[in-house]
Amino acid sequence: EAGVAQSPRYKIIEKRQSVAFWCNPISGHATLYWYQQILGQGPKLLIQFQNNGVVDDSQLPKDRFSAERLKGVDSTLKIQPAKLEDSAVYLCASSQGQGSYNEQFFGPGTRLTVL
Amino acid sequence: KQEVTQIPAALSVPEGENLVLNCSFTDSAIYNLQWFRQDPGKGLTSLLLIQSSQREQTSGRLNASLDKSSGRSTLYIAASQPGDSATYLCAVKSFQKLVFGTGTRLLVSP
Repeated sequence: EAGVAQSPRYKIIEKRQSVAFWCNPISGHATLYWYQQILGQGPKLLIQFQNNGVVDDSQLPKDRFSAERLKGVDSTLKIQPAKLEDSAVYLCASSQGQGSYNEQFFGPGTRLTVL
Repeated sequence: KQEVTQIPAALSVPEGENLVLNCSFTDSAIYNLQWFRQDPGKGLTSLLLIQSSQREQTSGRLNASLDKSSGRSTLYIAASQPGDSATYLCAVKSFQKLVFGTGTRLLVSP
């Protein structure tokens, strides 16, 4: 069974530029998550989708970050414009459902460096 | 608000030693607790998941325990190997959210 796929793996941009990340979850997984992991910290949930609807985006900086999951399968996360403090690894995860006993499976992440 | 703390932040041991990593959480109303491994520049690999009704889980040389009432979990690694070198993250599922600790960076020397 294929795992969670993410691209690109690495991205370097200058501040105020825009960037987009892509995630393809495990086939059949209805719930998709985007996390931000700053160096030396644990991952922090940015947004959670159930199919193509947003369940939780309370920690998403909506003035610059946006995410969508059209058709309820793959998803894109966009930052526009980027700031220096956005340098982090962006992890995508998926689970079969959003129930409490559903295990999340993580992709390899996209490492973003903002100069 | 759930907070997860991991101690120590870093640990260095010689090969062959048994070791314990600690995780504590502030709100005992959790659904499960998960231990992950993260290699440099990589994503997270799930090691063990303990449901709130369970006390421990074992996989090979790894054993994780959960004491929900005291808000603590430990990850025991037996006979450590250089290949175990990585960052170990603890995460609790609380109100359908996974809340992570900051991790323990483990280095096992040959």
